[in-house]
Amino acid sequence: DGGITQSPKYLFRKEGQNVTLSCEQNLNHDAMYWYRQDPGQGLRLIYYSQIVNDFQKGDIAEGYSVSREKKESFPLTVTSAQKNPTAFYLCATTGGLYNEQFFGPGTRLTVL
Amino acid sequence: QKEVEQNSGPLSVPEGAIASLNCTYSDRVSQSFFWYRQYSGKSPELIMSIYSNGDKEDGRFTAQLNKASQYVSLLIRDSQPSDSATYLCAVKSSGDYKLSFGAGTTVTVRA
Repeated sequence: DGGITQSPKYLFRKEGQNVTLSCEQNLNHDAMYWYRQDPGQGLRLIYYSQIVNDFQKGDIAEGYSVSREKKESFPLTVTSAQKNPTAFYLCATTGGLYNEQFFGPGTRLTVL
Repeated sequence: QKEVEQNSGPLSVPEGAIASLNCTYSDRVSQSFFWYRQYSGKSPELIMSIYSNGDKEDGRFTAQLNKASQYVSLLIRDSQPSDSATYLCAVKSSGDYKLSFGAGTTVTVRA
């Protein structure tokens, strides 16, 4: 079954802790993205990767880190340096003839 | 920073009516335009993409693009309660891997 999977679905973190959000895809897409969505707001790009072992900062990269060691995986670490991490995190890939972007189910992170 | 603006909501329409959503963008070299539907608590789902001027129809959805006016719209005909969601407009420039998103318009279809 092809698609994009994100885990966990819900995540609770204490202040000062780093947490890693998983994103896996079996669509054979080269490009992968991480977005953050806050209530009532649009999507803001955190990081993106066009190929393995390469990634670029998006608009709000501070306090986040990523790696792209495999084509299928693009994990996002939310570090303690991110001052307001509570949000809905969405992973996406780009593929197809027109490079359309498709989203995973998301991870909702809450800082306690 | 590329800007994408959507008409502010929420938009409330009666069942069976047409819902009209508007989106303007600032980057003249934008080439690809997308509409996503996002149900509350869920991730965005691609419902329409349009690349050339004019209309594109898919079932009850029609996307309209006017590059000269830097304007893209989405019409939902015969609106159903299941169409109640937030609709996100997204824009991409040629050769660019990134999308720029609007803040979304929330549509409520009342029975």
